[in-house]
Amino acid sequence: KAGVTQTPRYLIKTRGQQVTLSCSPISGHRSVSWYQQTPGQGLQFLFEYFSETQRNKGNFPGRFSGRQFSNSRSEMNVSTLELGDSALYLCASSLELSDEQYFGPGTRLTVT
Amino acid sequence: GNSVTQMEGPVTLSEEAFLTINCTYTATGYPSLFWYVQYPGEGLQLLLKATKADDKGSNKGFEATYRKETTSFHLEKGSVQVSDSAVYFCALRSGGSNYKLTFGKGTLLTVNP
Repeated sequence: KAGVTQTPRYLIKTRGQQVTLSCSPISGHRSVSWYQQTPGQGLQFLFEYFSETQRNKGNFPGRFSGRQFSNSRSEMNVSTLELGDSALYLCASSLELSDEQYFGPGTRLTVT
Repeated sequence: GNSVTQMEGPVTLSEEAFLTINCTYTATGYPSLFWYVQYPGEGLQLLLKATKADDKGSNKGFEATYRKETTSFHLEKGSVQVSDSAVYFCALRSGGSNYKLTFGKGTLLTVNP
Protein backbone atom coordinates (compact mmCIF):
# COMPACT_ATOMS: atom_id res chain seq x y z
CA LYS A 1 0.00 0.00 0.00
CA ALA A 2 1.40 3.40 -0.94
CA GLY A 3 2.18 5.75 1.91
CA VAL A 4 1.20 9.38 2.38
CA THR A 5 2.45 11.50 -0.49
CA GLN A 6 3.05 15.22 -0.42
CA THR A 7 3.70 17.53 -3.32
CA PRO A 8 5.80 19.39 -4.01
CA ARG A 9 8.68 18.20 -1.86
CA TYR A 10 10.52 21.51 -2.04
CA LEU A 11 9.30 25.01 -2.69
CA ILE A 12 10.88 28.45 -2.70
CA LYS A 13 8.62 31.48 -2.52
CA THR A 14 8.99 35.20 -1.98
CA ARG A 15 7.49 37.19 0.88
CA GLY A 16 3.95 38.27 0.12
CA GLN A 17 3.22 35.39 -2.25
CA GLN A 18 0.83 32.59 -1.52
CA VAL A 19 1.42 28.85 -1.70
CA THR A 20 -0.66 25.67 -1.90
CA LEU A 21 0.62 22.35 -0.62
CA SER A 22 -0.99 19.03 -1.43
CA CYS A 23 -1.35 15.80 0.53
CA SER A 24 -2.66 12.44 -0.66
CA PRO A 25 -3.46 10.11 2.24
CA ILE A 26 -3.02 6.37 2.37
CA SER A 27 -5.80 4.69 0.41
CA GLY A 28 -8.86 4.25 2.60
CA HIS A 29 -7.78 6.80 5.20
CA ARG A 30 -10.39 9.46 5.83
CA SER A 31 -8.60 11.76 8.25
CA VAL A 32 -5.80 14.17 7.35
CA SER A 33 -3.84 16.38 9.74
CA TRP A 34 -1.22 19.03 9.02
CA TYR A 35 1.75 20.01 11.15
CA GLN A 36 4.43 22.69 10.84
CA GLN A 37 7.98 21.81 11.86
CA THR A 38 10.56 24.51 12.55
CA PRO A 39 13.84 24.42 14.47
CA GLY A 40 12.58 27.00 16.96
CA GLN A 41 9.01 25.89 17.61
CA GLY A 42 9.30 22.20 16.86
CA LEU A 43 6.22 20.38 15.60
CA GLN A 44 3.00 22.34 15.84
CA PHE A 45 -0.49 21.26 14.88
CA LEU A 46 -2.14 23.23 12.11
CA PHE A 47 -5.46 21.55 11.38
CA GLU A 48 -7.28 18.29 11.05
CA TYR A 49 -9.87 17.18 8.51
CA PHE A 50 -12.29 14.30 8.41
CA SER A 51 -14.87 13.68 5.70
CA GLU A 52 -14.23 17.09 4.15
CA THR A 53 -14.86 18.92 7.43
CA GLN A 54 -12.30 20.74 9.53
CA ARG A 55 -12.56 19.14 12.97
CA ASN A 56 -9.81 20.93 14.81
CA LYS A 57 -7.53 23.91 14.28
CA GLY A 58 -4.27 24.97 15.89
CA ASN A 59 -3.14 28.43 16.93
CA PHE A 60 -2.12 29.81 13.57
CA PRO A 61 -3.23 33.05 11.91
CA GLY A 62 -5.99 33.10 9.35
CA ARG A 63 -3.40 33.20 6.56
CA PHE A 64 -3.19 29.45 7.02
CA SER A 65 -6.14 27.58 5.61
CA GLY A 66 -6.91 24.15 4.31
CA ARG A 67 -9.51 21.91 2.83
CA GLN A 68 -10.23 18.27 2.16
CA PHE A 69 -11.80 16.84 -0.94
CA SER A 70 -14.27 13.99 -1.33
CA ASN A 71 -11.43 11.57 -2.17
CA SER A 72 -9.78 12.54 1.18
CA ARG A 73 -6.93 14.41 -0.51
CA SER A 74 -6.12 17.62 1.28
CA GLU A 75 -4.55 20.95 0.47
CA MET A 76 -3.29 23.69 2.69
CA ASN A 77 -2.82 27.26 1.62
CA VAL A 78 -0.70 30.00 3.10
CA SER A 79 -1.36 33.52 1.89
CA THR A 80 0.83 36.59 2.22
CA LEU A 81 3.91 34.56 3.06
CA GLU A 82 6.28 35.75 5.76
CA LEU A 83 9.89 34.75 6.36
CA GLY A 84 8.78 32.93 9.50
CA ASP A 85 6.61 30.59 7.44
CA SER A 86 9.74 28.82 6.24
CA ALA A 87 9.32 25.31 7.59
CA LEU A 88 8.77 21.66 6.86
CA TYR A 89 5.04 21.07 6.47
CA LEU A 90 4.02 17.54 7.36
CA CYS A 91 0.79 15.82 6.51
CA ALA A 92 -0.47 12.76 8.37
CA SER A 93 -3.36 10.46 7.59
CA SER A 94 -5.33 7.96 9.63
CA LEU A 95 -8.25 5.62 9.00
CA GLU A 96 -10.46 7.40 11.47
CA LEU A 97 -9.79 10.41 13.68
CA SER A 98 -8.86 8.24 16.64
CA ASP A 99 -6.47 5.93 14.81
CA GLU A 100 -2.70 6.27 14.68
CA GLN A 101 -1.34 8.79 12.24
CA TYR A 102 1.02 8.00 9.37
CA PHE A 103 3.19 10.85 8.17
CA GLY A 104 4.29 11.86 4.71
CA PRO A 105 7.83 13.03 3.85
CA GLY A 106 6.84 16.68 4.10
CA THR A 107 7.08 19.76 1.91
CA ARG A 108 10.08 21.99 2.63
CA LEU A 109 8.95 25.61 2.13
CA THR A 110 11.55 28.35 2.01
CA VAL A 111 10.37 31.97 2.00
CA THR A 112 12.91 34.54 0.84
CA GLY B 1 -3.14 22.48 28.13
CA ASN B 2 -1.20 19.46 27.03
CA SER B 3 2.58 19.52 26.91
CA VAL B 4 5.48 17.12 26.45
CA THR B 5 8.98 17.62 27.80
CA GLN B 6 11.82 15.46 26.57
CA MET B 7 15.49 15.55 27.33
CA GLU B 8 17.57 18.02 25.42
CA GLY B 9 19.98 16.61 22.95
CA PRO B 10 22.08 15.91 21.22
CA VAL B 11 22.85 12.47 22.56
CA THR B 12 25.98 10.76 21.25
CA LEU B 13 26.60 7.09 21.95
CA SER B 14 28.89 4.34 20.79
CA GLU B 15 27.44 1.33 19.03
CA GLU B 16 25.99 -1.28 21.44
CA ALA B 17 25.57 1.29 24.24
CA PHE B 18 22.37 1.54 26.29
CA LEU B 19 19.96 4.32 25.34
CA THR B 20 17.50 6.23 27.48
CA ILE B 21 15.62 9.30 26.29
CA ASN B 22 13.46 10.80 29.01
CA CYS B 23 9.95 12.05 28.32
CA THR B 24 7.41 13.49 30.74
CA TYR B 25 4.00 14.90 29.96
CA THR B 26 1.18 17.06 31.23
CA ALA B 27 -2.30 16.26 30.03
CA THR B 28 -5.90 16.17 31.06
CA GLY B 29 -7.62 12.84 31.16
CA TYR B 30 -5.95 9.69 29.93
CA PRO B 31 -3.77 10.41 26.93
CA SER B 32 -2.25 7.96 24.49
CA LEU B 33 1.53 8.22 24.27
CA PHE B 34 3.79 7.79 21.27
CA TRP B 35 7.40 7.80 20.18
CA TYR B 36 8.10 8.87 16.62
CA VAL B 37 11.44 8.76 14.80
CA GLN B 38 12.59 11.05 12.01
CA TYR B 39 15.50 10.06 9.80
CA PRO B 40 17.34 12.78 7.87
CA GLY B 41 15.25 14.20 5.04
CA GLU B 42 12.21 12.11 5.90
CA GLY B 43 8.88 12.48 7.65
CA LEU B 44 7.98 10.95 10.99
CA GLN B 45 7.61 7.22 11.53
CA LEU B 46 5.67 5.80 14.43
CA LEU B 47 8.12 3.81 16.55
CA LEU B 48 5.85 2.62 19.36
CA LYS B 49 2.81 3.58 21.35
CA ALA B 50 0.94 2.92 24.59
CA THR B 51 -2.68 3.74 25.18
CA LYS B 52 -3.17 3.18 28.91
CA ALA B 53 -1.25 3.19 32.18
CA ASP B 54 1.35 0.42 32.62
CA ASP B 55 1.19 -0.50 28.93
CA LYS B 56 4.59 -1.18 27.39
CA GLY B 57 5.11 -0.27 23.75
CA SER B 58 7.93 -2.01 21.91
CA ASN B 59 9.34 -2.15 18.40
CA LYS B 60 12.75 -2.84 16.81
CA GLY B 61 14.36 -3.31 20.23
CA PHE B 62 12.99 -0.02 21.59
CA GLU B 63 10.68 0.00 24.60
CA ALA B 64 8.73 2.55 26.61
CA THR B 65 6.34 2.06 29.54
CA TYR B 66 3.39 4.36 30.24
CA ARG B 67 3.85 5.47 33.87
CA LYS B 68 0.84 7.42 35.05
CA GLU B 69 2.19 7.98 38.57
CA THR B 70 5.28 9.76 37.25
CA THR B 71 3.63 11.02 34.01
CA SER B 72 6.52 9.59 32.05
CA PHE B 73 7.14 7.55 28.90
CA HIS B 74 10.91 7.09 28.69
CA LEU B 75 12.36 5.47 25.58
CA GLU B 76 14.98 2.74 26.06
CA LYS B 77 17.04 0.41 23.91
CA GLY B 78 19.56 -2.06 25.21
CA SER B 79 22.07 -1.91 22.37
CA VAL B 80 21.96 0.90 19.81
CA GLN B 81 23.20 0.62 16.24
CA VAL B 82 24.58 3.23 13.85
CA SER B 83 21.32 2.93 11.91
CA ASP B 84 19.40 4.21 14.97
CA SER B 85 20.88 7.68 14.44
CA ALA B 86 17.86 9.97 14.02
CA VAL B 87 15.68 12.48 15.85
CA TYR B 88 13.23 10.98 18.34
CA PHE B 89 9.99 12.69 19.30
CA CYS B 90 7.77 11.91 22.24
CA ALA B 91 4.11 12.79 21.67
CA LEU B 92 0.72 12.52 23.28
CA ARG B 93 -2.84 12.57 22.12
CA SER B 94 -5.50 13.30 24.69
CA GLY B 95 -8.91 11.74 24.57
CA GLY B 96 -12.24 13.33 23.87
CA SER B 97 -12.85 14.97 20.52
CA ASN B 98 -9.34 16.38 20.13
CA TYR B 99 -7.13 14.01 18.18
CA LYS B 100 -4.18 16.26 17.49
CA LEU B 101 -0.71 15.14 18.50
CA THR B 102 1.31 17.29 20.91
CA PHE B 103 5.03 16.75 20.44
CA GLY B 104 8.15 17.26 22.49
CA LYS B 105 11.03 19.23 20.96
CA GLY B 106 12.84 16.15 19.76
CA THR B 107 16.14 14.54 20.73
CA LEU B 108 18.90 14.06 18.18
CA LEU B 109 20.67 10.72 18.65
CA THR B 110 23.99 10.03 16.97
CA VAL B 111 25.48 6.56 17.24
CA ASN B 112 29.15 6.19 16.34
CA PRO B 113 30.69 2.90 15.17
